[in-house]
Amino acid sequence: GNSVTQMEGPVTLSEEAFLTINCTYTATGYPSLFWYVQYPGEGLQLLLKATKADDKGSNKGFEATYRKETTSFHLEKGSVQVSDSAVYFCALSASSGTYKYIFGTGTRLKVLA
Amino acid sequence: DAGVIQSPRHEVTEMGQEVTLRCKPISGHNSLFWYRQTMMRGLELLIYFNNNVPIDDSGMPEDRFSAKMPNASFSTLKIQPSEPRDSAVYFCASSSRTSGTYNEQFFGPGTRLTVL
Repeated sequence: GNSVTQMEGPVTLSEEAFLTINCTYTATGYPSLFWYVQYPGEGLQLLLKATKADDKGSNKGFEATYRKETTSFHLEKGSVQVSDSAVYFCALSASSGTYKYIFGTGTRLKVLA
Repeated sequence: DAGVIQSPRHEVTEMGQEVTLRCKPISGHNSLFWYRQTMMRGLELLIYFNNNVPIDDSGMPEDRFSAKMPNASFSTLKIQPSEPRDSAVYFCASSSRTSGTYNEQFFGPGTRLTVL
């Protein structure tokens, strides 16, 4: 079946450090891939997305590239800020149009000033 | 657009009581999802509807949980009777098939349920 595996957290970084949060997936066909972010006390918000192989999603300085050969969708940011402290979820939506998301377990990021 | 609206935002109740959580999806969206989030189990899909019809309720933990979507603009998740282990944050999300080839989901702010 379809699944998403994220690196375990928490991840603690100093401000302006480089961020990578790993995400790999297992799916049949060509899923769409997403990163969602959840700030404390809030619901999840879409951060970026990619719908086909080699697509790069980007938003707010974050980037992730859909790598079909390695079944990965790693999230990166060149210089994190304290305001990026949140929980990040990788997710896939199967290409069969079932509307279901498969979410990873989430990775908590804490950025220190 | 007001986004997905959930009520109440916080609910504290005693074990054995009935709890009803409410959700108003984004106007025009035809898919609605109920999730539960806990520290132990993370984010779990409970049930989802497409065009007001329940499509997959395999995530509903047990018969104490039920969900309805009487029309395109309203859904409820009911727990009867509630138990302390039901304490969690419950999220509603909606999406639209017309948003493209991908199915971006828009989440509400959640209802934090505490069962004493």
